[in-house]
Amino acid sequence: QSALTQPASVSGSPGQSITISCTGTSSDVGSYNLVSWYQQHPGKAPKLMIYEGSKRPSGVSNRFSGSKSGNTASLTISGLQAEDEADYYCCSYAGSSPYVFGTGTKVTVL
Amino acid sequence: QVQLVESGGGLVKPGGSLRLSCAASGFTFSDYYMSWIRQAPGKGLEWVSYISSSGSTIYYADSVKGRFTISRDNAKNSLYLQMNSLRAEDTAVYYCARRRSKYYFDYWGQGTLVTVSS
Repeated sequence: QSALTQPASVSGSPGQSITISCTGTSSDVGSYNLVSWYQQHPGKAPKLMIYEGSKRPSGVSNRFSGSKSGNTASLTISGLQAEDEADYYCCSYAGSSPYVFGTGTKVTVL
Repeated sequence: QVQLVESGGGLVKPGGSLRLSCAASGFTFSDYYMSWIRQAPGKGLEWVSYISSSGSTIYYADSVKGRFTISRDNAKNSLYLQMNSLRAEDTAVYYCARRRSKYYFDYWGQGTLVTVSS
């Protein structure tokens, strides 16, 4: 199972919106609207930000939203803040594999 | 609150063995599937293995199948990963994570570093 494809880096100014894509195949992202997204600050453990495609855990800001179209899932961060600067990973259930992560995206707040 | 604390990492020679532990607290450990996920230095996340709440169902990534063994002790609220025949490419921070449903991991430990080098 190959890793899901994410852009290496995305940047934006404070207050702007950015979108991170996560492209898989019909065997993973395309088959299940069940992508999760994780935020990881340097030296820290990943933190769940979005699950089952578009749901936010309690305590996660509503500035974070998830969606999917075909084989590509997306994470949008609106009203970008300095604290959002981190690495972001998508993850898809993949049936028999059964979990595949994305390549990771470094978000920079300019 | 939910806490997952990994231990057991360290420096080991290629071909060697290591056993990782994950101590869980703040939730009913025996109710949840658990997983190990690793991250090589400067690289992305890679799922390694999961074990069902009772221990009866286990899955491994192809990269570790036949070399790693996941287990749990619900009486001790602990998760384990026995790693044998270690290779340089197994060098990574190993995280234990709680699988909230079939599709995502809601809590992660801080990780323990395993370095395989001669």
